[in-house]
Amino acid sequence: QSVLTQPPSVSAAPGQKVTISCSGSNSNIGNNYVSWYQQLPGTAPKLLIYESNKRPSEIPDRFSGSKSDTSATLGITGLQTGDEADYYCATWDSSLSAVVFGGGTKVTVL
Amino acid sequence: VQLVESGGGLIQPGGSLRLSCVASGFTFSNYWMHWVRQVPGKGLVWVSRINGDGSSTIYADSVKGRFTISGDTAKNTLYLQMNSLRAEDSAVYYCARSFGYSSSPFDYWGQGILVTVSS
Repeated sequence: QSVLTQPPSVSAAPGQKVTISCSGSNSNIGNNYVSWYQQLPGTAPKLLIYESNKRPSEIPDRFSGSKSDTSATLGITGLQTGDEADYYCATWDSSLSAVVFGGGTKVTVL
Repeated sequence: VQLVESGGGLIQPGGSLRLSCVASGFTFSNYWMHWVRQVPGKGLVWVSRINGDGSSTIYADSVKGRFTISGDTAKNTLYLQMNSLRAEDSAVYYCARSFGYSSSPFDYWGQGILVTVSS
């Protein structure tokens, strides 16, 4: 059971938008930045979003992040077949003194 | 920036293994380094972190007292000494880099190395 809760899967047609939620508590998301990672099959995770809503320069603006209270959201617009992957949220948990990850969400492009 | 892990393999329960992660393309001592593991088909789990000068280390409860993280700035190498290994430690282990604050993202990851604990 992960400290951060994500839906196991989301899906949409090419060109559509999906959102992935990440729910936590005051000890983690509520008081810390959130980062998001994309893991394509058989590869290492890749940073998509950091400090809750910032994108590394190489990440297209189809990817966006937001945070409100104890929840964070990753949005992907203009969905492409290459976006099929597992997506993870992560943050620091002040009570556990540990980095915590969500359980991961599998994105399927229909 | 490149991170390359090595040292994985098959080990019997109760045994020990040391993973290495050679870093290049950046000043090793300016960053925090982490180990993250993933059981194939499952999610990511953070294992341990060391700060830039090696003076501070923290561990997940599941490995505390059994694993030791360390770094050699002269060799730009991160290590994870794993003792008293259990079947549940079987996973792909990634080293990853972060900046020097607790909720800093992991901006670079190694390719991962598989550890299998089995008799």
